[in-house]
Amino acid sequence: QKEVEQNSGPLSVPEGAIASLNCTYSDRGSQSFFWYRQYSGKSPELIMSIYSNGDKEDGRFTAQLNKASQYVSLLIRDSQPSDSATYLCAVNGRDSWGKLQFGAGTQVVVTP
Amino acid sequence: GEEVAQTPKHLVRGEGQKAKLYCAPIKGHSYVFWYQQVLKNEFKFLISFQNENVFDETGMPKERFSAKCLPNSPCSLEIQATKLEDSAVYFCASSQRPATNEKLFFGSGTQLSVL
Repeated sequence: QKEVEQNSGPLSVPEGAIASLNCTYSDRGSQSFFWYRQYSGKSPELIMSIYSNGDKEDGRFTAQLNKASQYVSLLIRDSQPSDSATYLCAVNGRDSWGKLQFGAGTQVVVTP
Repeated sequence: GEEVAQTPKHLVRGEGQKAKLYCAPIKGHSYVFWYQQVLKNEFKFLISFQNENVFDETGMPKERFSAKCLPNSPCSLEIQATKLEDSAVYFCASSQRPATNEKLFFGSGTQLSVL
């Protein structure tokens, strides 16, 4: 079992709709959770971080964390074509202080 | 500098040749991380440094891979006797503190192609 799992996609979303991305992790002691966006051929860019259970909103992005279920999600509201990218879930585990475990990423395609 | 600078952008090596990649972290960042991205999306942690000291090397292959961060020099990742499976994009990232809850700033990566 991979430490961080995501659906690979592609997730096709009509422009203006909500994109919902999911991520599960295996280390119950994980403390920090991140969502990175990576455009093809580019470096990852941090868009959200979350550390406690519940929701965290930043503009059109909302991250949700449920440590009991070992689940973190990202919602993108009012999806735009510029949101088309691969979204990487990254987790800092209990025994991995100083490094991140990445999921394989979910490709999102926003269609006009 | 204001961004993580990685050189070269592309590196082509024949199997068995040596490859050396460089990374200059953002000025003031004490932590440097190397990640390997194979097949576009599989990120693998390799090694991290706190200044010139190895912080975590649990992801480094035991053979052929080595890394250094020396004072007043770019950090480097060296692969001796490259193999086809080493073909990947190698990303360097830096942060002010360990990545526990700190934003990592990534460089643009070095695309290594082993032929």
